[in-house]
Amino acid sequence: QTVVTQEPSFSVSPGGTVTLTCGLSSGSVSPSYYPSWYQQTPGQAPRTLIYSTNTRSSGVPDRFSGSILGNKAALTITGAQADDESDYYCVLYMGSGISVFGGGTKLTVL
Amino acid sequence: QITLKESGPTLVKPTQTLTLTCTFSGFSLSTSGVGVGWIRQPPGKALEWLALIYWDDDKRYSPSLKSRLTITKDTSKNQVVLTMTNMDPVDTATYYCAHITYYYASGSYYFDYWGQGTLVTVSS
Repeated sequence: QTVVTQEPSFSVSPGGTVTLTCGLSSGSVSPSYYPSWYQQTPGQAPRTLIYSTNTRSSGVPDRFSGSILGNKAALTITGAQADDESDYYCVLYMGSGISVFGGGTKLTVL
Repeated sequence: QITLKESGPTLVKPTQTLTLTCTFSGFSLSTSGVGVGWIRQPPGKALEWLALIYWDDDKRYSPSLKSRLTITKDTSKNQVVLTMTNMDPVDTATYYCAHITYYYASGSYYFDYWGQGTLVTVSS
């Protein structure tokens, strides 16, 4: 069974830059997995940030960007703000209509 | 403006069947390239993709839960229904429905609008 891996936690200083990654337990992530990223604050529904590797969803600030770094998908937050403190989830498309969520990364801004 | 809202029981007993309804507005499930998916999140845990249904009634299920899930749509009512059989306490979670945008060239999709979620507790 394919497992999508994310860092369990990460911290960044206000104004700093952080890159969260999304990998596979076996193999490399490429654009053909159409990685997407979602932000979730406690008690709230997820919010769509990035889809198809690097396309920002409507209304998402350009300090959020997506890419492929090495063998993983990546979400970079430039100029982190206090309200960026959230859980971040990636999703990889596995083909045949199947998607798999990663375990999520809890981002702390301090 | 696209909105989705989940509804259903807040408490079910083990072995019972759960039926959840996603009622949406701002789009039609008869429009090509549109779908609705279900995702769940146990308390304090990660999101998990469950199932989806497309405008053309094509349906896909999580391989690990496929035997327990059924997804249907009622286009006239703007609703999608998910049933999950043989509920167990480990199925306690917030269940979300989400609007899907589908890409013809790749067959891929992403979730672009989400409902608020509904918490379902499984307990005797």
